[in-house]
Amino acid sequence: DVKVTQSSRYLVKRTGEKVFLECVQDMDHENMFWYRQDPGLGLRLIYFSYDVKMKEKGDIPEGYSVSREKKERFSLILESASTNQTSMYLCASRTVYNEQFFGPGTRLTVL
Amino acid sequence: TQLLEQSPQFLSIQEGENLTVYCNSSSVFSSLQWYRQEPGEGPVLLVTVVTGGEVKKLKRLTFQFGDARKDSSLHITAAQTGDTGLYLCAGARGGSWGKLQFGAGTQVVVTP
Repeated sequence: DVKVTQSSRYLVKRTGEKVFLECVQDMDHENMFWYRQDPGLGLRLIYFSYDVKMKEKGDIPEGYSVSREKKERFSLILESASTNQTSMYLCASRTVYNEQFFGPGTRLTVL
Repeated sequence: TQLLEQSPQFLSIQEGENLTVYCNSSSVFSSLQWYRQEPGEGPVLLVTVVTGGEVKKLKRLTFQFGDARKDSSLHITAAQTGDTGLYLCAGARGGSWGKLQFGAGTQVVVTP
């Protein structure tokens, strides 16, 4: 069975903290994505990666960075967390047919 | 600006009733996908439609892609409580490798 896992289901951080969200997929997919999901706004793409060490900005990259050192792992970094980054964060990997498989999400609260 | 508009935003029906969810855009998509998301989980892919006018059936769910590939609908026949969830449409632009643009979703609640 296809699987995408995320390091935490719930996370509470303070303003200014550095936050790491990790995502691992076991399907040998080359492409991986980070989205955030907010009520009424749907899923918005933060960053994606076509391959190891390759990354591209999505629609809302400000305040975020990513790291992809290994094919199966894609990390999202909030350099200095702010309250407007409170959200549900979803990681996904993609097949060659553009079918995306999502992890369970990390609900991040920044106080 | 939402490229994909879903309607309605919220739908509450009783078991056994039918429902239709719409996904509309002014843009042309190379393919369109529907996902269902349950509380506390990530979205799960239901179907991908590629050809204008295409109709796909998945048990009680019927998906249609508009002739101009700008809109889509999801119809559920004889809804069950297990159909409860957030239904998201997502369109791909720029070929099959294009990034997905997601709609805001339709929350469907099916009550016994």
